Amino acid sequence: DAGVTQSPTHLIKTRGQQVTLRCSPKSGHDTVSWYQQALGQGPQFIFQYYEEEERQRGNFPDRFSGHQFPNYSSELNVNALLLGDSALYLCASSLRIGQPQHFGDGTRLSIL
Amino acid sequence: AQTVTQSQPEMSVQEAETVTLSCTYDTSESDYYLFWYKQPPSRQMILVIRQEAYKQQNATENRFSVNFQKAAKSFSLKISDSQLGDAAMYFCARHSGEKLTFGTGTRLTIIP
Repeated sequence: DAGVTQSPTHLIKTRGQQVTLRCSPKSGHDTVSWYQQALGQGPQFIFQYYEEEERQRGNFPDRFSGHQFPNYSSELNVNALLLGDSALYLCASSLRIGQPQHFGDGTRLSIL
Repeated sequence: AQTVTQSQPEMSVQEAETVTLSCTYDTSESDYYLFWYKQPPSRQMILVIRQEAYKQQNATENRFSVNFQKAAKSFSLKISDSQLGDAAMYFCARHSGEKLTFGTGTRLTIIP
């Protein structure tokens, strides 16, 4: 039973560039959430996707956007990268609201 | 903002002993879920234990148990018979609506 998978594992970009991170949910899960975890901090909620629509969004600028595909996989896009976007980006999947979210190993994004 | 507070940045415990990690939270909702997640250096967030707010009985999972005080908005984690593999960052999280709100974490060290 495959868990949540994220790609790539690590990524290095420069300021102003754009990046796309990918997530495949755990088998049977239909809801995908994205979190940003800065060094030494707890994860911060970016947004959640269900039925290919953004259901809820955290306090992140429009530079952060996402998409969910019919197979429930998801992408996180970040435009006009800033140094402060350097973080671990975690994807989590769940089945229905209130059910435990299962996390992937994350993508470590470094901005130079 | 509805916050989750972990007041212990670091804790240590002797192997085989018991340790309690503290967590308080703020919410205006009556129906929510609380979680403890473990994050080892491998980065993956691993669900340790879950508590539904409407349940008075404290959740237990093998060596892990919680002390849930709803009126005080307190949700502590007790780890019994601590093992070397328990060393990790521990995050308390509140789930309401579609998102998880995390605390800043407690780094737990196990002393052999």
